[in-house]
Amino acid sequence: SAVISQKPSRDICQRGTSLTIQCQVDSQVTMMFWYRQQPGQSLTLIATANQGSEATYESGFVIDKFPISRPNLTFSTLTVSNMSPEDSSIYLCSVAGLHPLAYEQYFGPGTRLTVT
Amino acid sequence: AQTVTQSQPEMSVQEAETVTLSCTYDTSESDYYLFWYKQPPSRQMILVIRQEAYKQQNATENRFSVNFQKAAKSFSLKISDSQLGDAAMYFCAYRSASNYQLIWGAGTKLIIKP
Repeated sequence: SAVISQKPSRDICQRGTSLTIQCQVDSQVTMMFWYRQQPGQSLTLIATANQGSEATYESGFVIDKFPISRPNLTFSTLTVSNMSPEDSSIYLCSVAGLHPLAYEQYFGPGTRLTVT
Repeated sequence: AQTVTQSQPEMSVQEAETVTLSCTYDTSESDYYLFWYKQPPSRQMILVIRQEAYKQQNATENRFSVNFQKAAKSFSLKISDSQLGDAAMYFCAYRSASNYQLIWGAGTKLIIKP
């Protein structure tokens, strides 16, 4: 597996502001993903962070609202822009492709975001 | 499109007893992977066990084992000798062999009674 860290672990933000969440992995990985998890719900994939190119967004998520960067094979950021209370959620990053035969996804500890 | 169904929103078990969590899935693919993840109140998503569809033998990890029925598209998780630390949300997930994306079930909340 891999050691994955996320910063911040939690934050309380005012509506209309933006928050950038960082995800750091201790080894190079092929794939990095960003998920949102509403309280008591399952995970919803926001986007796949592609190294050196634009992220691939799922239906219902747009780059203007959730800009993503992935400057290298160990680091990615997700920004939640112009926040509203509906953005209150847990945001999780995950990684896959630790080596060519690995097929599992591993997750960071998550960021709990509350928008007031 | 693939779907994953967990029909038990909540399960409870006495400490030291055995509990089985259900998961069914729908796919037209023959090559895929299945997973059980655990998410305790700390919200860290932890991989519990994995199964390759091409393997007939059921995966086992210590007290955790699966009953993989490919024809029935069923993938249940058995937890033996339940411990208080097993209390968590358990999610079943599917992954096509050709795509890294995971398809998630709705989750089952497992309560352990001391």
